[in-house]
Amino acid sequence: GNSVTQMEGPVTLSEEAFLTINCTYTATGYPSLFWYVQYPGEGLQLLLKATKADDKGSNKGFEATYRKETTSFHLEKGSVQVSDSAVYFCALSDPTYNTDKLIFGTGTRLQVFP
Amino acid sequence: EPEVTQTPSHQVTQMGQEVILRCVPISNHLYFYWYRQILGQKVEFLVSFYNNEISEKSEIFDDQFSVERPDGSNFTLKIRSTKLEDSAMYFCASRLGLADTDTQYFGPGTRLTVL
Repeated sequence: GNSVTQMEGPVTLSEEAFLTINCTYTATGYPSLFWYVQYPGEGLQLLLKATKADDKGSNKGFEATYRKETTSFHLEKGSVQVSDSAVYFCALSDPTYNTDKLIFGTGTRLQVFP
Repeated sequence: EPEVTQTPSHQVTQMGQEVILRCVPISNHLYFYWYRQILGQKVEFLVSFYNNEISEKSEIFDDQFSVERPDGSNFTLKIRSTKLEDSAMYFCASRLGLADTDTQYFGPGTRLTVL
């Protein structure tokens, strides 16, 4: 079945460091891929998405490219801030299902220190 | 900005008791979802709901679970007889439609603790 695997955390960085959070997926069809972020005490917020191969999603300085050949959707940011500290979830939706349920990874906690 | 709200933020209950988790989706949204996350594990899909009926459910969503949209604004998840393993964070989500531009908006979650 479809699944998402992402790197375990926590990821601990100093402010202005480069961030990569790895995400790989398994899917039978042509899924859409997402990164959601959860700030402390809040719900899951969509950070960025890509709906087809080679698409790049970007938002708030974060980027991820849909790589079909490596089945990956790694999240990157060139210079993290303390305010980026949160839990990041990689997810996919399988277009086979009209209701478009999301399949999530386990989440990666990012801690950024000044 | 409109948001999905959930109440309560934390619910503690005894094993075997019934619980109802409440969600208020964004007002013009048509698709509704429940997910849960057991501590340290993945966020898992439970059920989706459209046009006043369940459109899809996972294996987790057995006869102990039910959903309802009783009044056109609330969307509830009921667990009839809670088990210890139902302890988790439960997230509600809603979506306007199924276009690529539409996304699922999540609530802050309800933490359910079953003792």
